[in-house]
Amino acid sequence: DAKTTQPTSMDCAEGRAANLPCNHSTISGNEYVYWYRQIHSQGPQYIIHGLKNNETNEMASLIITEDRKSSTLILPHATLRDTAVYYCIVRDAFSMNRDDKIIFGKGTRLHILP
Amino acid sequence: DSGVTQTPKHLITATGQRVTLRCSPRSGDLSVYWYQQSLDQGLQFLIQYYNGEERAKGNILERFSAQQFPDLHSELNLSSLELGDSALYFCASSPHRSNEQFFGPGTRLTVL
Repeated sequence: DAKTTQPTSMDCAEGRAANLPCNHSTISGNEYVYWYRQIHSQGPQYIIHGLKNNETNEMASLIITEDRKSSTLILPHATLRDTAVYYCIVRDAFSMNRDDKIIFGKGTRLHILP
Repeated sequence: DSGVTQTPKHLITATGQRVTLRCSPRSGDLSVYWYQQSLDQGLQFLIQYYNGEERAKGNILERFSAQQFPDLHSELNLSSLELGDSALYFCASSPHRSNEQFFGPGTRLTVL
């Protein structure tokens, strides 16, 4: 089972910041938080990941709470093309001794409204 | 464009038939993963190969099998097809020593 809890759906106005929350209260010390998104019927797309520090890239920012039990993905200026299902995933750091499959939950369906 | 290619894009077949889905990973990526996405089950991990060898298995049916060839492309074989096998099948690849996976555009399988 997925180790994360996300709202089923969210709306955001175009041009505003979209803040997607994720709870991962059972996260362990060596597990990272990953975010992927899936635009309708396309393959999932990697967005960002982090361990404990806040991270930012050209797509988004990831804010992880100090206790690491929750995080927020921020899309700073949402556009209509950001309408998608967003998956928050908790995974171990890479190891040659373990498989590294992704366990997807149900994600958050984000609707960007014009 | 993730760099992962999958063929065919669409496949329509009948119950009881056998099909092969093909995946070409990104250049240099050693790991290939297969996922199934149906309306009621969401994205489910099926199987992973690393440099030609099976690395992990998920909820893959015995009617399904996969392999990774020396050139690192992979094939997913689905046999004795049932209506419930209708789904999107995604392939992903990842570089050595990386947790990031790059997904292909998927193959939409319809079993009639």
